[in-house]
Amino acid sequence: QVQLVESGGGVVQPARSLRLSCAASGFTFRSYPMHWVRQAPGKGLEWVAGISYDGINEYYADSLKGRFTISRDNSKNTLYLEMNSLRGDDTAVYYCARVPSNWGQGILVTVSS
Amino acid sequence: DIQMTQSPSSLSASVGDRVTITCRASQGISNYLAWVQQKPGKAPKSLIYGASSLQSGVPSKFSGSGSGTDFTLTISSLQPEDFATYYCQQYNSYPYTFGQGTKLEIK
Repeated sequence: QVQLVESGGGVVQPARSLRLSCAASGFTFRSYPMHWVRQAPGKGLEWVAGISYDGINEYYADSLKGRFTISRDNSKNTLYLEMNSLRGDDTAVYYCARVPSNWGQGILVTVSS
Repeated sequence: DIQMTQSPSSLSASVGDRVTITCRASQGISNYLAWVQQKPGKAPKSLIYGASSLQSGVPSKFSGSGSGTDFTLTISSLQPEDFATYYCQQYNSYPYTFGQGTKLEIK
């Protein structure tokens, strides 16, 4: 069965960086676009970024203004999200997703001093 | 960007009821519309893709319809486990966008 397992979250100070990972299994990872979606406490779902199956094309939410970078390693079946210049409003649960079918369990990122 | 507007934002219903949630896109998205269910403290779960196709393992009490800009999710014979928040998501063009969610509560 499809599994998406996020890791790398935690508490980070404002202006610092953090990299999330998502280990995929149960499907041919290299054949599918992949995405990150986040959810701030008590708020709705927000699409963050997406990447083509081959990693060539990247897409981002306008609100991120170049601070986040999505990437993938198809040899490792792993998706990444590099987050820079983190702010308090980046505090959220981050989900890895194979739209429109599968979601990871989520990983909490807390930006706080 | 394509804006997704769900209505209502919240809905109270009783066990056994049938309910319908509406999602409207600010421009045409063909049938690239998904519905997801989320329970408190849990990850979202995909219910429907392609506006009307059920994900594997999702009971037939859930049904979706629509194309272009107007879509609906209907849940028949509500059971306690169906009370959750439901989101629509368009995946026709980037940036992908979600509706604001509909919280379905027990009356």
